[in-house]
Amino acid sequence: NAGVTQTPKFRVLKTGQSMTLLCAQDMNHEYMYWYRQDPGMGLRLIHYSVGEGTTAKGEVPDGYNVSRLKKQNFLLGLESAAPSQTSVYFCACAGTDGELFFGEGSRLTVL
Amino acid sequence: GQSLEQPSEVTAVEGAIVQINCTYQTSGFYGLSWYQQHDGGAPTFLSYNALDGLEETGRFSSFLSRSDSYGYLLLQELQMKDSASYFCAVNQAGTALIFGKGTTLSVSS
Repeated sequence: NAGVTQTPKFRVLKTGQSMTLLCAQDMNHEYMYWYRQDPGMGLRLIHYSVGEGTTAKGEVPDGYNVSRLKKQNFLLGLESAAPSQTSVYFCACAGTDGELFFGEGSRLTVL
Repeated sequence: GQSLEQPSEVTAVEGAIVQINCTYQTSGFYGLSWYQQHDGGAPTFLSYNALDGLEETGRFSSFLSRSDSYGYLLLQELQMKDSASYFCAVNQAGTALIFGKGTTLSVSS
């Protein structure tokens, strides 16, 4: 039982490159989230999904896209990476009681 | 919009009691959660208050006053391993969880 798995765990990109972060959960939870964490800024919500086929914008959605084609997977895409997107990205899932279960994070550096 | 305010840093000694306050402004408030994060790790759930009052879980307790838009996390019998960042988060409209900027707790011997 892996819980929430994020891939890749580390990535270095050049400005303008694209990439996709994958989040997979085996907890059968409806809700999934993508956060970014920067020093002194806490966790900021990028996008979230309340179920398969649905997505919604969070606090800082610009420059990111998401898809939830399968209940267990939530993808975060960067179409044209910028240095401001250098961050640690956390995926999380939650059931109806609201408790979030986080993945171990993906550390992205954009040069 | 929404905002959460919590102190950026708190220091304490082993065995002491520390309280981390959180005030919030948000629409569609459902409840207040607390998460712990050690350096380099993933945040982990500590507690959740949907109703006014105190929730106790071992050495940790959490309090909520909806009328004051205020809550706190109380950590008792502090241990070195409690050194971490603590985040309050509001459950907004039952779906999205919005986090504060976090409080760094340093416990010394």
